[in-house]
Amino acid sequence: AQSVTQLDSQVPVFEEAPVELRCNYSSSVSVYLFWYVQYPNQGLQLLLKYLSGSTLVKGINGFEAEFNKSQTSFHLRKPSVHISDTAEYFCAVSDRGGNTGKLIFGQGTTLQVKP
Amino acid sequence: NAGVTQTPKFRILKIGQSMTLQCAQDMNHNYMYWYRQDPGMGLKLIYYSVGAGITDKGEVPNGYNVSRSTTEDFPLRLELAAPSQTSVYFCASSLDSPSYNEQFFGPGTRLTVL
Repeated sequence: AQSVTQLDSQVPVFEEAPVELRCNYSSSVSVYLFWYVQYPNQGLQLLLKYLSGSTLVKGINGFEAEFNKSQTSFHLRKPSVHISDTAEYFCAVSDRGGNTGKLIFGQGTTLQVKP
Repeated sequence: NAGVTQTPKFRILKIGQSMTLQCAQDMNHNYMYWYRQDPGMGLKLIYYSVGAGITDKGEVPNGYNVSRSTTEDFPLRLELAAPSQTSVYFCASSLDSPSYNEQFFGPGTRLTVL
């Protein structure tokens, strides 16, 4: 079984400041790792994913995430945020050996970018 | 391509009523999913389907039913609605295995049961 914990429910930050959204996971099997973003009143869309290889993954809109196997973490970062980054962010995992594509989501982190 | 579409966008039900949430995708994806999103709880998988005629339960299937007669459509049925089913419901689809494929989400249906 897998579980995902997002360590902060809300992260307020000023525009142009850096931000880190934290994600830890627990799993008895190997997993793929994802970050999805949900803008207000919209569905989720993929920001980035880690499959294998380099532990630093770059995604859309200037976001990146780093996979740390020893700490079972997959934290999301952006060096300079914009007002338009205000949204809810979800970390998720899926079973590498599975064939259903099922995702296990964290509770979500609301990023509030202030002017 | 319209992607994943969901209807209705909003609905208020009385306790004990039934309804069907509609979901359709035009990307020829075999895999489709229904999630519910509750505040502070993330998304929980209700049911999923790996192809027409094949469905299976997710984490929170009680009180719901699904069918998949075509590749495009994956309706979610609520029987005997209860206040605990007040939530936002998202439908998603993805390409076939393996499980690293991106899921594409619809805009959601906000359901209130009073």
